[in-house]
Order: sequence, then structure tokens, then C-alpha cells
Amino acid sequence: EVQLLESGGDLVQPGGSLRLSCAASGFMFRTYAMSWVRQAPGKGLEWLSTIRESDDGAYYADSVKGRFTVSRDSSKNNLYLQMNSLSVEDTALYYCASPRSPGLNMIFDYWGQGTLVTVSS
Amino acid sequence: EVVLTQSPATLSLSPGERATLSCRASQSVDSYLLWYQQKPGQAPRLLIYDASNRATGIPVRFSGSGSGTDFTLTISSLEPEDFAVYYCQQRKVWPPLTFGGGTKVEIK
Repeated sequence: EVQLLESGGDLVQPGGSLRLSCAASGFMFRTYAMSWVRQAPGKGLEWLSTIRESDDGAYYADSVKGRFTVSRDSSKNNLYLQMNSLSVEDTALYYCASPRSPGLNMIFDYWGQGTLVTVSS
Repeated sequence: EVVLTQSPATLSLSPGERATLSCRASQSVDSYLLWYQQKPGQAPRLLIYDASNRATGIPVRFSGSGSGTDFTLTISSLEPEDFAVYYCQQRKVWPPLTFGGGTKVEIK
């Protein structure tokens, strides 16, 4: 059974940093592209970042480019999102998501339960 | 960036009725259009991929159609568990990957 479990969400002050993690199990993690998607309270879904299966490339939304960095540790089946220079607009529930099949197909069959990031002074 | 516009924003229907949701893309995405369902407090669930293919375990009352810029998600007969928010997503032109703003299907 595929499972994605996010962690690391917290209350942080504007300008601060946070590192989110997503523990994956039930599939061959190293062969799958992985993504982060967020949802601000009461709002829709926003794609943030995708990292290729071989860790040889990453893509970002303009809203987080230069502030957020996605990475993965395939030896631990973990996905990460390092978030710097946080602002109140980054307050959201952060999901990791993966496809059903290996590669970079951008079909999000599996989602974690999300981890909440609140940016406030 | 491909902008996806969903309509209506809210659809008020009764159980057993047919629901028709629309998603319009600002440029052609061929058939690379997906639909998700999200219930309160839950993560999104994939319903339809590449315009018309039901994801694993999705009931046959859910169907998708369209290509290019105009897409439709149809729920043939609403069940109580179908009242939720529905999002479309395109995977043709990215980054950025984009989602529509959502359609809420509520009980009338």
C-alpha cells in the first residue's frame, strides 16, 4: 500500500525558515518523480515543485522560486521541502504527491494527509 | 502559463440528479486534463486522468470528456458522498503545473 506521510509543519515568524519532510512507502521511491502542492485556508490547490526521479532536475512555481528548495533522499525514501524567507502568504496545508507509475507524468494518484505551515508574528 | 477556469463556482443539486462541471483552458492542453475530488479535511482524490480515463476504483457514474480547451466532468446520478469540491488540473504545459479554482457541488 502506498503511503505518504508529511511532517515538519509549524508556526513560524515572517522571514523564517522551515523544512518539511514526506516519508514514502509502498513503492519504489527512487523511480518516481515527487511533487509538493499546497492549499491556503479556504482556497484552491497550488502546485509548488516537482523533483525528477533521478534527482537530476527540479521545477518550481514562480511564487516559491529562489525561496524553496526540493530535495530527496532515496536511501531513506524521503522527500523534503526547504522553505526560506517565509511570508504570511505561505500559510497553507502542504501536501506531497506522487504518480501511480514511475517517471515524470504529473498525474497525482497518491497524496499525503498534509502538514500545516502557519506564518505569523 | 495555462489558466484553467472552472464553472460554475457552486452547483446546487439534489441526490440522484446529474452534475455537469466545466473546465476551460486558456490554451490547448490536448487531452492532458485531470479531475480531482476533495472533501472537507481530506486530501484530493484523483478521479479522471487525460480527459476521460477513470482512475482506479472510481465509480462509473463519474465520466470526463473534452479536448483542446473545453472539458466536462459529469456525475450521472449524485450520491450523498459526491458532494465535494472538484478541481481540474492540466499537465500539458508546465512548469507551472496549474489547477482550476474549483467547483463546489453542494446539496440543494
